[in-house]
Amino acid sequence: EVQLQESGPGLVKPSQSLSLTCSVTGYSITSNYWGWIRKFPGNKMEWVGYINYSDNTSYNPSLKSRISITRDTSKNQFFLQLNSVTTEDTATYYCARLAGYWYFDFWGPGTMVTVSS
Amino acid sequence: EIVLTQSPTTMTASPGEKVTLTCRASSSVSYMHWYQQRSGTSPKLWIYETSKLASGVPNRFSVSGSGTSYSLTINSMETEDAATYYCQQGSSYPLTFGSGTKLEIK
Repeated sequence: EVQLQESGPGLVKPSQSLSLTCSVTGYSITSNYWGWIRKFPGNKMEWVGYINYSDNTSYNPSLKSRISITRDTSKNQFFLQLNSVTTEDTATYYCARLAGYWYFDFWGPGTMVTVSS
Repeated sequence: EIVLTQSPTTMTASPGEKVTLTCRASSSVSYMHWYQQRSGTSPKLWIYETSKLASGVPNRFSVSGSGTSYSLTINSMETEDAATYYCQQGSSYPLTFGSGTKLEIK
């Protein structure tokens, strides 16, 4: 079965960069689309962006100037980098596989990131 | 951006009760997807492409709707159904989620 696992620092200082890794097992990231979603305190969920099998990316316009999603196919991992973070980037970050008509069928357990000095 | 509005925000239901959750879109969408999230766990795909139940979802769940209005119905509420349910559209970018309906058991 497809399994995803997020990893990265739980605390980031304002103005620094947030870097997360999603490790995938049971399926190759050279197929399908792979995305990041975040859930803010208060439960609002936001799609962050995705990378696909051809290494093409798409980002939420609200983040477009600060975000980069890349991958390492040899390790079956993909990555999120979010620059110039503020306290408003405090959230639980999930990685997930996209399927069909753009739904997320497999999710990682999520990693909580707090932006604070 | 398509805004999804879910109602109610919170509701409480008794075991055996019929429950209906609503998701309204600011523009027409072709398909709506739903996720169930229990406390302390990640969201789980629940219903996809408007009406297809994800693997393991009991058939007391159903969805109807089209265009800008969709409803998720539980025919007979069970304790394990207590969770937050989110709708999500993939018809246009950016992909967007509703604000969620928290369903509690009485």
